Amino acid sequence: GQQLNQSPQSMFIQEGEDVSMNCTSSSIFNTWLWYKQDPGEGPVLLIALYKAGELTSNGRLTAQFGITRKDSFLNISASIPSDVGIYFCAGQLYQGAQKLVFGQGTRLTINP
Amino acid sequence: DGGITQSPKYLFRKEGQNVTLSCEQNLNHDAMYWYRQDPGQGLRLIYYSQIVNDFQKGDIAEGYSVSREKKESFPLTVTSAQKNPTAFYLCASSWGSSLAGELFFGEGSRLTVL
Repeated sequence: GQQLNQSPQSMFIQEGEDVSMNCTSSSIFNTWLWYKQDPGEGPVLLIALYKAGELTSNGRLTAQFGITRKDSFLNISASIPSDVGIYFCAGQLYQGAQKLVFGQGTRLTINP
Repeated sequence: DGGITQSPKYLFRKEGQNVTLSCEQNLNHDAMYWYRQDPGQGLRLIYYSQIVNDFQKGDIAEGYSVSREKKESFPLTVTSAQKNPTAFYLCASSWGSSLAGELFFGEGSRLTVL
């Protein structure tokens, strides 16, 4: 089945640093989404991308839908302690598809 | 406040026992989902439902069962046939259709088989 390769698997950074993570696939996706999961909680949607090449920001977060439709990246600027958690990318193969394909997650740890 | 409520948050089960996880939403969403999360892995879809009295298998449905008798409720039963049931279970809902990817998750239920 379809797979999303998310990297890096983990990151250890200093507070204030910028963060970049990405997802790639051999399949073309119609939609890319980024979720964040705090420890012991359910994921929360950060950004949804619907058009190839689209660049969308949400506060200090910026995400892009790759031109080839096979990749996406998420950047976090000026990291703060509450950014700690696991970030998941997810892809939707076609509009209205009920199934999402999830990446394995990027675990972000911040040293104050 | 609108949202999704899962219960119980923690559950311990002996081998051979069935257990049912509750999921209730008051967001008026049409679609509901159950995902399983294991350490170091992404979320895997167990079952989903787009409408009352209808549901479809996801990628790992074996050993699980669901029902959708009400729009607000989508309980998941982990049966004794599930060979490795210890995991974190997440319920989610969405408006479905073109916004099917925008999921709202509950806080999860952690099941441990003793």
